[in-house]
Amino acid sequence: GAGVSQSPSNKVTEKGKDVELRCDPISGHTALYWYRQSLGQGLEFLIYFQGNSAPDKSGLPSDRFSAERTGGSVSTLTIQRTQQEDSAVYLCASSFLTDTQYFGPGTRLTVL
Amino acid sequence: QKEVEQDPGPLSVPEGAIVSLNCTYSNSAFQYFMWYRQYSRKGPELLMYTYSSGNKEDGRFTAQVDKSSKYISLFIRDSQPSDSATYLCAMRINNDMRFGAGTRLTVKP
Repeated sequence: GAGVSQSPSNKVTEKGKDVELRCDPISGHTALYWYRQSLGQGLEFLIYFQGNSAPDKSGLPSDRFSAERTGGSVSTLTIQRTQQEDSAVYLCASSFLTDTQYFGPGTRLTVL
Repeated sequence: QKEVEQDPGPLSVPEGAIVSLNCTYSNSAFQYFMWYRQYSRKGPELLMYTYSSGNKEDGRFTAQVDKSSKYISLFIRDSQPSDSATYLCAMRINNDMRFGAGTRLTVKP
């Protein structure tokens, strides 16, 4: 595709439910990143993939958060037992090796 | 102290004004410096990318890096209402990227 795509664009869920957020990176990009952006805050790094492996998971805020990437392409970020403080925009970016990161439009998550 | 400091604004200017956006950082190991523009309910888009100290110009935009002072700037000349957005500075060491909080800019017609 022409750019990074993310789905869904919006997700409203109830506290305690699990959610899955999807990211389709730019074709050929080897690296994939997940960030979280809360209102009025900068981007908070969550996790980074190079190929299918995640050498840096240091940003995941708790063990309720996990991510995987298959086939060196699509990635899924899963949040289990969602809490209200998980409400934010979740952004995915991809890059070729360590080059410039290009962002998707984000998934706006609201936990009621 | 945050690694990257950026005044969140908001900043409001009249159309045609020169806009100056700034960030300071604490880690001298940062190698690459970027400015992203983010429109409401959209993902950030890369605006400028620099590596070395000095100025880089692209149309109405100039990015300035001063590594000795750990200070980067983005200047927008002849600002337009379409420039109204949040501007995020970012800096990188290899895959490790850090972002400023973003400055919200409004350019009034």
